Amino acid sequence: KAGVTQTPRYLIKTRGQQVTLSCSPISGHRSVSWYQQTPGQGLQFLFEYFSETQRNKGNFPGRFSGRQFSNSRSEMNVSTLELGDSALYLCASSLAGPMGRSSYEQYFGPGTRLTVT
Amino acid sequence: GDSVTQMEGPVTLSEEAFLTINCTYTATGYPSLFWYVQYPGEGLQLLLKATKADDKGSNKGFEATYRKETTSFHLEKGSVQVSDSAVYFCALSLNDYKLSFGAGTTVTVRA
Repeated sequence: KAGVTQTPRYLIKTRGQQVTLSCSPISGHRSVSWYQQTPGQGLQFLFEYFSETQRNKGNFPGRFSGRQFSNSRSEMNVSTLELGDSALYLCASSLAGPMGRSSYEQYFGPGTRLTVT
Repeated sequence: GDSVTQMEGPVTLSEEAFLTINCTYTATGYPSLFWYVQYPGEGLQLLLKATKADDKGSNKGFEATYRKETTSFHLEKGSVQVSDSAVYFCALSLNDYKLSFGAGTTVTVRA
């Protein structure tokens, strides 16, 4: 079974621009989560989607948004980029269903390395 | 809020040494607990998990036991190899679809 794939793997953008990152989950996984990883803040939860609906959101400004398509693929968008948005953005998918269950592990993609200059 | 505290790194060991990484948590409910590992330039891989008190997760020689009384989930391996060099993250999940991670512990194993 193919793992979680993320595109692109690397991006360089300028302050003020916007960026869209893409994530394809493992086949059969309907839950997709996004995380930001930085040396200073570590791994922080951005949001989670299930059946095209955002179910949970972390403490990030509105410049960070996402969506999920009917095939479970997900995109996240960051508008008006700031230098502090430079990070590794990780996508994860799981078998989590419509009811809250904490036991499903999340499978992570390799990440997209975003550099803002 | 819910949080995970890991022992500070970095940790440097010789091959075949014993490894332990301490992890404690604070949670409002009964979380599932996980250890993830990140190799250089890669995403996170699940190492092991435990979903209820007294469960022991194990994989690739690593073990961790869910201790509700001490709110801990310490990672151990009896004999490390150079290939175990990586960053290790302890994490918890409640019924809210997100993982809360510790800060990570960098482990370097020398031949």
